Amino acid sequence: ETAVFQTPNYHVTQVGNEVSFNCKQTLGHDTMYWYKQDSKKLLKIMFSYNNKQLIVNETVPRRFSPQSSDKAHLNLRIKSVEPEDSAVYLCASRDWGNQDTQYFGPGTRLLVL
Amino acid sequence: GEQVEQLPSILRVQEGSSASINCTYENSASNYFPWYKQEPGENPKLIIDIRSNMERKQTQGLIVLLDKKAKRFSLHITDTQPGDSAMYFCAASDPYGGSGNKLIFGIGTLLSVKP
Repeated sequence: ETAVFQTPNYHVTQVGNEVSFNCKQTLGHDTMYWYKQDSKKLLKIMFSYNNKQLIVNETVPRRFSPQSSDKAHLNLRIKSVEPEDSAVYLCASRDWGNQDTQYFGPGTRLLVL
Repeated sequence: GEQVEQLPSILRVQEGSSASINCTYENSASNYFPWYKQEPGENPKLIIDIRSNMERKQTQGLIVLLDKKAKRFSLHITDTQPGDSAMYFCAASDPYGGSGNKLIFGIGTLLSVKP
């Protein structure tokens, strides 16, 4: 099956903890994104990587750090989570050269208590 | 930053009628305009898109119109069904540093189709 996969589906943690989310795409794409969708369903881009290189880094707190080992993987680490980090984190991928379409993963729901 | 305005935020229609969602964008260099449908607990899924070299595109009961002069694009769902009830997001591409597109999303429209 070719798609965008994310783990975990859900994560509940406490303020100050560190969390990591994983994203893998098997679509053969070379560009991947992290979006944050808040409780009002607002979708905001956070980061974009092309072939392991960071190309978009929106204004997000420094406790957020993306990590890419290869073009099929893009992880997100959050050091010392805050309550406002509670959201759904959506990973997406795109084929840089051929298509503009972005395909989303199922999302990771983070709840910070 | 760049914005995409989307209206209305909530849309209630009767089954069988049509539904229209409108979006405006700021960056005249935007050249790609996708529409996503997101059902509760699911990820956004692309339903239709249009590029700047077109003014109209239609597929399976969906019509997208693009007015580049007005920097406006819209989604029209004809003959709505209860299964069309969902959140709908418009987006506009925002070329970044000449090396790729990111998408700027509207705030979403919650469509409710009453049987």
